[in-house]
Parts: sequence; structure tokens; C-alpha cells
Amino acid sequence: NAGVTQTPKFQVLKTGQSMTLQCAQDMNHEYMSWYRQDPGMGLRLIHYSVGAGITDQGEVPNGYNVSRSTTEDFPLRLLSAAPSQTSVYFCASSSQGWGTEAFFGQGTRLTVV
Amino acid sequence: AQRVTQPEKLLSVFKGAPVELKCNYSYSGSPELFWYVQYSRQRLQLLLRHISRESIKGFTADLNKGETSFHLKKPFAQEEDSAMYYCALRYNNNDMRFGAGTRLTVKP
Repeated sequence: NAGVTQTPKFQVLKTGQSMTLQCAQDMNHEYMSWYRQDPGMGLRLIHYSVGAGITDQGEVPNGYNVSRSTTEDFPLRLLSAAPSQTSVYFCASSSQGWGTEAFFGQGTRLTVV
Repeated sequence: AQRVTQPEKLLSVFKGAPVELKCNYSYSGSPELFWYVQYSRQRLQLLLRHISRESIKGFTADLNKGETSFHLKKPFAQEEDSAMYYCALRYNNNDMRFGAGTRLTVKP
């Protein structure tokens, strides 16, 4: 029972490089979201999606792009990485937003040097 | 602004001692609050929600609207309770606001 799978678990990027953080869920959930976790600041919402083809911005969307071409996948793209994007990234999914129980991935620790 | 504050980054207690993890919030509407937990090398998971009024793993949390608090309590801490605890406020159906977290260590 995979649940929510994030890849990679760890990544080091150089400033200006691009990369995609992958998130996949096998629970047929409509809602998926990306959060970043920074020391002393808790988790902050980057982008979310309420279904295939539908995405929207969260609290801290700048520097990140998302798309949702399938129900299962919700990749997060960093177009030009900056040191300020050094963080731990979590993907979460649920059947209907935060009104239903959400399931988290194990997180991706990203360092931008 | 909608905000969740957990004043303690670290909390350490001995096994068998009572534990209270503090959470305060600011929200203009009717709040819906949660506690999430992340054990070592495990995923973040829901511990309890205030609307359920339930006790999970011996933990309870009461919403106090007058003090805008949602403290998590357990009368007798166990070593397996050691984890990172996050208080969270459901801002809307698509956005959960999390506090910075409290790392609880229960010493033998």
C-alpha cells in the first residue's frame, strides 16, 4: 500500500538549476498539495490542486510551478533554484481537501547551494 | 491574519509525567483545529481534531475559544510519544495552516 510517494528523498542543487519534485498517490484522491517546511515557520502551502487540470496558488507560490495532468501525479517544478528554496518539501493528498483526512509523503529535503 | 503559534520548540519530560504542548491561534471565523504528529522516520499524520472530541493514544485537546488555544495534553507521557507535534488550523478546505512545531522528548 504505497499511499503518497515523493521522489527524490534528498537533492542538492546549484543556484539557477531547475528540477522537478515528484509526488504520486494511488488512492484516487482529488486533492493534492505541496508544502514547504522551514525552521521556526511550520509548513506553508505552495500550490494545490482539486483535480486533474485544476491548480491554484497557496501562501508561498513564487518560484514554483505545478501541473496536474493525471489524478495520480502532482509534480512541483523549480525553474531556477535559489538558496531561499532550501527546505523540506511535503506532498499531501486527500479525497476532498482538508475536510477529509490527508495523507503525507515522506518529504524531500532540498538544498540549494 | 490567520496564524498558529506553538511557543515551545522543544519540550522534554520524564516518562510518566504529564505533558502539555501549547497551541494558540488567531482566526476571524469559526476555527477548526487539529494536531498532527511526526514520529522519527515516519510520515506526518493526523493525531486528533477538535470536532471529534476524542482521545487518541491518551492525548486530548480542548478548544478554548476565549483564550484562542488548543493545547494538547496527556496525563502520563510514554517514551513512544517522543515526536514532532504540529498544531494546525483549517483556513479553508484547500489550505491548512500549521504551527512551527514542538519536538517532544520523553526521557526514561
